[in-house]
Amino acid sequence: DSGVTQTPKHLITATGQRVTLRCSPRSGDLSVYWYQQSLDQGLQFLIQYYNGEERAKGNILERFSAQQFPDLHSELNLSSLELGDSALYFCASSVFGGESDTQYFGPGTRLTVL
Amino acid sequence: QKEVEQDPGPLSVPEGAIVSLNCTYSNSAFQYFMWYRQYSRKGPELLMYTYSSGNKEDGRFTAQVDKSSKYISLFIRDSQPSDSATYLCAIHTGGFKTIFGAGTRLFVKA
Repeated sequence: DSGVTQTPKHLITATGQRVTLRCSPRSGDLSVYWYQQSLDQGLQFLIQYYNGEERAKGNILERFSAQQFPDLHSELNLSSLELGDSALYFCASSVFGGESDTQYFGPGTRLTVL
Repeated sequence: QKEVEQDPGPLSVPEGAIVSLNCTYSNSAFQYFMWYRQYSRKGPELLMYTYSSGNKEDGRFTAQVDKSSKYISLFIRDSQPSDSATYLCAIHTGGFKTIFGAGTRLFVKA
């Protein structure tokens, strides 16, 4: 158990809908990352937050947004969902978010868009 | 050209074999290299972390970085069925971003 929690574990929804994925980092970690993992694209970095501020952005679509709250938990919002958004979404956390920091991954949220 | 290339496998070996997993990368400026292991239906977990060139050993696992060839390797000695998983190489690219290889699926047969 990495200490990172993600809810829900599974989410099934329809195209055009909006969903929110939630992540609680390990105790003491200030940085949170979001990743998308699909069969054809592998593990793709979406976005990173450090202590409530956006730090780095990867291949995140404009339909997706995220935030990190004062208690350091984070939410990833996915809107206008398409079939291609079906994937595993992982949250990871690290202490300071630097290059040498170890990222600890949560168990993931499996999103299915029908 | 992708920044990190990794053969997705699958790779099937008998128990006790030495396993070699590899990735190539495109940018010679990259300095931080990692290997993650991901079991089915779980999140990736960090196995090995190497800065710059050279070897790093941890039990049955050895990570190797050859910066001149832009090639990173993970060796698993005396492989066990419990090593069956997907192994992902990962590189910090600077700017707080990490890129992952596609992952190699490894099966160790008892």
